[in-house]
Amino acid sequence: AQSVAQPEDQVNVAEGNPLTVKCTYSVSGNPYLFWYVQYPNRGLQFLLKYITGDNLVKGSYGFEAEFNKSQTSFHLKKPSALVSDSALYFCAVRDAPGGSYIPTFGRGTSLIVHP
Amino acid sequence: SAVISQKPSRDICQRGTSLTIQCQVDSQVTMMFWYRQQPGQSLTLIATANQGSEATYESGFVIDKFPISRPNLTFSTLTVSNMSPEDSSIYLCSVEDGGFGKGTEAFFGQGTRLTVV
Repeated sequence: AQSVAQPEDQVNVAEGNPLTVKCTYSVSGNPYLFWYVQYPNRGLQFLLKYITGDNLVKGSYGFEAEFNKSQTSFHLKKPSALVSDSALYFCAVRDAPGGSYIPTFGRGTSLIVHP
Repeated sequence: SAVISQKPSRDICQRGTSLTIQCQVDSQVTMMFWYRQQPGQSLTLIATANQGSEATYESGFVIDKFPISRPNLTFSTLTVSNMSPEDSSIYLCSVEDGGFGKGTEAFFGQGTRLTVV
């Protein structure tokens, strides 16, 4: 079975400060991990993914995420937040190579960046 | 990447009626998915739309309530039938642009915000 948890419903950060949105996962095998962002009245947009290789993954809009196998985490980070980063962020996981092809999404974390 | 056009973007419907949501992709894709996103909640998969065969429904969702068509590799529809206020939600179409590779990211339409009154 595969599952993902986003422990925070909301994260507040001041513009210019670093931000972290947390994600932990559970899989039977090796994980494929994804982050998506959803702006108001829009669908989800892909930000970045971890498949294999370097634990630090860089993605769109200056975001990055660090895969930590021992802590089963894949936290999303950005060194300097922008007001325009305010959105809903979803972490997702697939269990590879076996397990479900259908990704499991976290419940989402609302990021609010204050001017 | 795949570009997805989903319509309508929003609608307000009377209870007891049906609404059909369309999803058009700019390239041929093997798998298309329909999700529901209720307010303050995560995405829940309704079904996988398979070209040339019946859709595969997840637990809690049935074909009579959510009939799906997939006439070709670029188009799908989801119908929400006999609507009630509990069906008020955002409905999202999603595709994967890499066949059956699990490392492939998903692409989403902009969603349909449905309100049933």
